[in-house]
Amino acid sequence: GAVVSQHPSWVICKSGTSVKIECRSLDFQATTMFWYRQFPKQSLMLMATSNEGSKATYEQGVEKDKFLINHASLTLSTLTVTSAHPEDSSFYICSASQGRSYEQYFGPGTRLTVT
Amino acid sequence: TQLLEQSPQFLSIQEGENLTVYCNSSSVFSSLQWYRQEPGEGPVLLVTVVTGGEVKKLKRLTFQFGDARKDSSLHITAAQPGDTGLYLCAGRHTDKLIFGTGTRLQVFP
Repeated sequence: GAVVSQHPSWVICKSGTSVKIECRSLDFQATTMFWYRQFPKQSLMLMATSNEGSKATYEQGVEKDKFLINHASLTLSTLTVTSAHPEDSSFYICSASQGRSYEQYFGPGTRLTVT
Repeated sequence: TQLLEQSPQFLSIQEGENLTVYCNSSSVFSSLQWYRQEPGEGPVLLVTVVTGGEVKKLKRLTFQFGDARKDSSLHITAAQPGDTGLYLCAGRHTDKLIFGTGTRLQVFP
């Protein structure tokens, strides 16, 4: 149980375009989802926390207008990178939880390359 | 800002050797987790420690949570090539996980 999927697993887009990444909890209802970014050879950095039906809470230094997060259902959260630039190229990982104090289950990640 | 510093940053050893990875912070965490991550994949949870001084064993892996709940260690006995990967500690603070800086382990046959 507790499976989280991400789609796509990798994506290449041109500079200036937008790209959407999906995070789904397959066998449980995820009240809270988290989005992380991981640059090569670095650790995971939390970008934002989203709760179903409400606005996401962004970490300091993360532009909310650039990284749009939608958590419209208990099994799906999306991260849209708007007007992507090469410096946005990274590994984006989501996690899902049944609540703020519950275990986080991680997705397999999405590799974004902006050319 | 809570920081979790891991040491060493990189570790390259021969199969059969023992190793210890450290995770240190000046902050107190309600719990601490250890993950292993392989290239191109999400992190996989190895263990959660909750109580200060707690020791947990998972086959050849031994995890310890510091008495003050600010630090932790991971000890691997008789490392195998399959142990190769990025090891991450993560401290829970309220509803967030704060990840450590990571330790990249390579075990050669």
